[in-house]
Amino acid sequence: GENVEQHPSTLSVQEGDSAVIKCTYSDSASNYFPWYKQELGKGPQLIIDIRSNVGEKKDQRIAVTLNKTAKHFSLHITETQPEDSAVYFCAATLMGVTGGGNKLTFGTGTQLKVEL
Amino acid sequence: NAGVTQTPKFRVLKTGQSMTLLCAQDMNHEYMYWYRQDPGMGLRLIHYSVGEGTTAKGEVPDGYNVSRLKKQNFLLGLESAAPSQTSVYFCASKLGSYTGELFFGEGSRLTVL
Repeated sequence: GENVEQHPSTLSVQEGDSAVIKCTYSDSASNYFPWYKQELGKGPQLIIDIRSNVGEKKDQRIAVTLNKTAKHFSLHITETQPEDSAVYFCAATLMGVTGGGNKLTFGTGTQLKVEL
Repeated sequence: NAGVTQTPKFRVLKTGQSMTLLCAQDMNHEYMYWYRQDPGMGLRLIHYSVGEGTTAKGEVPDGYNVSRLKKQNFLLGLESAAPSQTSVYFCASKLGSYTGELFFGEGSRLTVL
């Protein structure tokens, strides 16, 4: 099955700096790579995703890059703000196969702290 | 629009007791999932369902059972709770096989003494 590794486990940046979180996956068949943000006491929420036919995707201050050959993908947050402080999870799955459940395999999470 | 609702939010059990967690979604989603979240281990899939009346095992199914008698509800049961099942449980749902976004509930914190 799929295995997703995520680094670093904790990341502390100054407000306004950039933050980068990296993930690697094992199953070359995976074609969908979402990123979730989890605030304290809440459930995870999707912030951005990328499919395997795209190398990069951007949404305002966040971007995700995908390197299929190396089987890794990264989350980039620019101009970080205190409200970006949260736990971030990467995930991977093969999507679009009916009956297979599209089971997401999650990384172990990164605690991002944005300091004033 | 309530989205995904989990009940109860907190529960303390003694070893050997049983309980059921209820997940309800009002988005007419086909797929539903139960995850557990433990420190340093991310989210691990317990069981999932691809439609009413269907269930399947995930990564860590032992000690849990599930049922999906109605499309909007997905129940997670613990027949004989063990301390190793102390965790935060999250239910999630999504529209179907070609949509990616999972919608999560706010979690249920279970402590087994």
